[in-house]
Amino acid sequence: TQLLEQSPQFLSIQEGENLTVYCNSSSVFSSLQWYRQEPGEGPVLLVTVVTGGEVKKLKRLTFQFGDARKDSSLHITAAQPGDTGLYLCAGKDAGKSTFGDGTTLTVKP
Amino acid sequence: DSGVTQTPKHLITATGQRVTLRCSPRSGDLSVYWYQQSLDQGLQFLIQYYNGEERAKGNILERFSAQQFPDLHSELNLSSLELGDSALYFCASSVESGGVNEQFFGPGTRLTVL
Repeated sequence: TQLLEQSPQFLSIQEGENLTVYCNSSSVFSSLQWYRQEPGEGPVLLVTVVTGGEVKKLKRLTFQFGDARKDSSLHITAAQPGDTGLYLCAGKDAGKSTFGDGTTLTVKP
Repeated sequence: DSGVTQTPKHLITATGQRVTLRCSPRSGDLSVYWYQQSLDQGLQFLIQYYNGEERAKGNILERFSAQQFPDLHSELNLSSLELGDSALYFCASSVESGGVNEQFFGPGTRLTVL
């Protein structure tokens, strides 16, 4: 059973469209991180959300932490080909680091 | 550049062999994590060390072991290698501040077992 469930698994859209990807769990996390990974490279940290209901913005990316700190979403406005990659959410449960399986996003020009 | 270094970048070896992967964390980070990423499995947490001591264990096989040295660099040893061990192995480091777990990843070692 995957502790962090991410959806959708794959997403292919045209440049300029908006999208939202989700990270859900039955566990409460003290914080959640979002990473982006390009093929053959290590994940790169995008943001950390800590407080329930928190919203953080990073240019065209908006991250939200659920009120109960069990879920999070990532919204991208006016997606660009440079946003293409694997988006991973991560947290710690019982001291163990855990990652979701990710959403593979492809933005076509 | 995350500040985390991993060597070697690529490793090709045969079944039954033993290899050692090396990781140097970012300056000031005391925690080192090891992950395995296969095509069909995503990022799997193997083990975490904090200031030389094992802190958490994930899905690490008994054939695999790791350690963190006094200078904080870490090594992951993989022995009796099998075809299924072929994967990308990532190291990450972290400051470990309260409940926040921001990790910075190295470029990875691609292991191919033939």
